[in-house]
Amino acid sequence: NAGVTQTPKFQVLKTGQSMTLQCAQDMNHNSMYWYRQDPGMGLRLIYYSASEGTTDKGEVPNGYNVSRLNKREFSLRLESAAPSQTSVYFCASSELGLTYEQYFGPGTRLTVT
Amino acid sequence: AQTVTQSQPEMSVQEAETVTLSCTYDTSESDYYLFWYKQPPSRQMILVIRQEAYKQQNATENRFSVNFQKAAKSFSLKISDSQLGDAAMYFCAYRGGTSYGKLTFGQGTILTVHP
Repeated sequence: NAGVTQTPKFQVLKTGQSMTLQCAQDMNHNSMYWYRQDPGMGLRLIYYSASEGTTDKGEVPNGYNVSRLNKREFSLRLESAAPSQTSVYFCASSELGLTYEQYFGPGTRLTVT
Repeated sequence: AQTVTQSQPEMSVQEAETVTLSCTYDTSESDYYLFWYKQPPSRQMILVIRQEAYKQQNATENRFSVNFQKAAKSFSLKISDSQLGDAAMYFCAYRGGTSYGKLTFGQGTILTVHP
């Protein structure tokens, strides 16, 4: 039981390059989330998928796209990376409902030069 | 929109002593949960404790307890008998009944534990 896995763990991109961050969960959760963590700002929600087949914008969606590939997988794509997207990215999953704990992946540290 | 504020960027405590981390939030919802997450240098987010808004009793988990003041919209974390392993970044987070499970986080407080 691996929980939430993310790949890669580290990535360096040049401005304008594209990449996809992968996330998978093996807990059969309905809901999945992508956050970014920046110093002094906590974690901010980029996109979420309340259930398979749905995706919605969070607080900071600009410059990103997502795909809920199936119930297990939720990817985050940067089409044209910018230095402002240098951050640590976390994927999380949970059951839908107020009482359920949200489980986090180990994070991806992305640097855009 | 809900907001969560942690006004202490850094705190320090001596080993075996007690420390309190502060958190305030703003919401118009009546049904919600509050959480404290710990993030050690490994970056892994670890749930420390949670509090249901409808419960008046403060949550406790071993050495960790909260002081939940619903009217004041305050949710502080008390760590008793601090240990070196408690050193980490701590985040307060809010989850509302209409939020599809989304979490709103505070800015974080870095806790240093001195031996």
